[in-house]
Amino acid sequence: ETGVTQSPTHLIKTRGQQVTLRCSSQSGHNTVSWYQQALGQGPQFIFQYYREEENGRGNFPPRFSGLQFPNYSSELNVNALELDDSALYLCASSKGVMNTEAFFGQGTRLTVV
Amino acid sequence: AQKVTQAQTEISVVEKEDVTLDCVYETRDTTYYLFWYKQPPSGELVFLIRRNSFDEQNEISGRYSWNFQKSTSSFNFTITASQVVDSAVYFCALWANNLFFGTGTRLTVIP
Repeated sequence: ETGVTQSPTHLIKTRGQQVTLRCSSQSGHNTVSWYQQALGQGPQFIFQYYREEENGRGNFPPRFSGLQFPNYSSELNVNALELDDSALYLCASSKGVMNTEAFFGQGTRLTVV
Repeated sequence: AQKVTQAQTEISVVEKEDVTLDCVYETRDTTYYLFWYKQPPSGELVFLIRRNSFDEQNEISGRYSWNFQKSTSSFNFTITASQVVDSAVYFCALWANNLFFGTGTRLTVIP
């Protein structure tokens, strides 16, 4: 186990709704990155948070937003859900922004119907 | 732009066979890192190896070995004497400020 935990593990939402996914980083890690993995694809970088500030963003619309808390845990929020948002959402924690030693959680599988 | 290509979508081998998973990458950065991850059905990405762009030494770890060749921008992964527990999706990834993943290779080891 990596020490990175995500909740919930599975979630079903209706198109147009909003969702919040949570990630607890490994002890001692101050950086959290979020990835979206569509079925049959590799994970795609959404954004990264370092010391409570967004520190880089991939090609995702503004309805994907996040937060990082003082304990370095993080949330991913998605507004106005679309069917294509159905995916496995992975978070990775690391010590510092150069996340060459990132540890991944088990993911949250989101289904939008 | 950063890009990782894993041309093999699915591979099936019989247990105890050797198998090589191919990875080709593109980057203009001179400093970068390459990774292999294993993703079992549970979904978690399991770290296998990290290699920086200045270290082209091949590496062996038990039944796993990796061949990094900058001249061909390749970072291939070989499993020797495959086992059923090796069945998973394997991702090659490039780190250049953030991780860029290939589309993965699904390996099935048949008993």
